[in-house]
Amino acid sequence: AQTVTQSQPEMSVQEAETVTLSCTYDTSESDYYLFWYKQPPSRQMILVIRQEAYKQQNATENRFSVNFQKAAKSFSLKISDSQLGDAAMYFCAYRSPYEEGGSEKLVFGKGTKLTVNP
Amino acid sequence: GAGVSQSPRYKVAKRGQDVALRCDPISGHVSLFWYQQALGQGPEFLTYFQNEAQLDKSGLPSDRFFAERPEGSVSTLKIQRTQQEDSAVYLCASSLGRGLLNTEAFFGQGTRLTVV
Repeated sequence: AQTVTQSQPEMSVQEAETVTLSCTYDTSESDYYLFWYKQPPSRQMILVIRQEAYKQQNATENRFSVNFQKAAKSFSLKISDSQLGDAAMYFCAYRSPYEEGGSEKLVFGKGTKLTVNP
Repeated sequence: GAGVSQSPRYKVAKRGQDVALRCDPISGHVSLFWYQQALGQGPEFLTYFQNEAQLDKSGLPSDRFFAERPEGSVSTLKIQRTQQEDSAVYLCASSLGRGLLNTEAFFGQGTRLTVV
């Protein structure tokens, strides 16, 4: 079974600075998908960024980028120019490749609470 | 609707009561998921539907938990004889599914269940 580990329960960053959230995972599959989700106090999970394992290029979405190291099974999230609105819980998640009749479930880490200081 | 809708937002149940949690997915989404999120933890998978078919229920913690999606749209998660350890936020998510490359799971705001 796949597992996702987030080793930083809490992180803090100054507004406008850069912060990196860590995520490692364990899998025997060669193709899969990785995600970072943001969960503000409203509880609604919002997709921040996704990465397909077969793509060597790291995904980027505006101020958010990832460092995907497939051999090391590492998938860190970098937030540049941090804003007060970035404060939330961040979850790393893994999804297996699609199989007919199979599950498309996400396996989540325990999360990292990010505080942004003004 | 514009997003995944869950009701109720909050539910307090006395131990031993049965509860039913509702999820309205995004129209046209084939895949529907239920997750359980304990306080301070990440969501944990409960069950998965593709249309009306329940393809994976490996995460349901006991036979007190039951989910259905009879017409391939709205889903209900039922918990019988609630216990204190059932207290959690229950998240529903839906996606276009069918393995589409860029399929994204959209989440509802969850139902916070407190068993007293």
